[in-house]
Amino acid sequence: DGGITQSPKYLFRKEGQNVTLSCEQNLNHDAMYWYRQDPGQGLRLIYYSQIVNDFQKGDIAEGYSVSREKKESFPLTVTSAQKNPTAFYLCASRSGAGNTIYFGEGSWLTVV
Amino acid sequence: GDSVTQMEGPVTLSEEAFLTINCTYTATGYPSLFWYVQYPGEGLQLLLKATKADDKGSNKGFEATYRKETTSFHLEKGSVQVSDSAVYFCALSETDSNYQLIWGAGTKLIIKP
Repeated sequence: DGGITQSPKYLFRKEGQNVTLSCEQNLNHDAMYWYRQDPGQGLRLIYYSQIVNDFQKGDIAEGYSVSREKKESFPLTVTSAQKNPTAFYLCASRSGAGNTIYFGEGSWLTVV
Repeated sequence: GDSVTQMEGPVTLSEEAFLTINCTYTATGYPSLFWYVQYPGEGLQLLLKATKADDKGSNKGFEATYRKETTSFHLEKGSVQVSDSAVYFCALSETDSNYQLIWGAGTKLIIKP
């Protein structure tokens, strides 16, 4: 089945560690996105990519990094510079011809 | 800039009640409008959308009509079920902004049996 797969579903990070969240889509979508959601809050855009090997910062990019080496993959690294990383992270994608964004199931990151 | 305003939650209803969740927007162009639903602990699912004025989006008994004159896209359902309990997000996107979504804050819906 086509879709967006995020892994892991749950991840625990120690202070000072970098962690990488995986996002893979087999929808042949051009654009991919990473959002952060804090409990009881809305979504905030971290990074987005319209095309392979290109990406732009969103509203809250500090402390995060991404890469887009393949069309189907858009991993997010949460670096030690992100002071409050505990949140729910959502990956999304959109076809180049469409205006509808589709989401993965999300990844929970907790700092311990 | 563009913005989306939703009614604050939580909204608590009894099963089989009529639901309205208000959503209004401000936009410089002609946006597309969306409702997404998020069940506890899950990602967001597209519920319905409308791409031009007077369009009506519908899915799973939910409906919303794109009202340009009132800049609104209110979500309605005639008879809610316990399984409709979730958080509902209204959003817009514009071609000029590369289809970036502008989000409302979300409205939590609680349906009691």
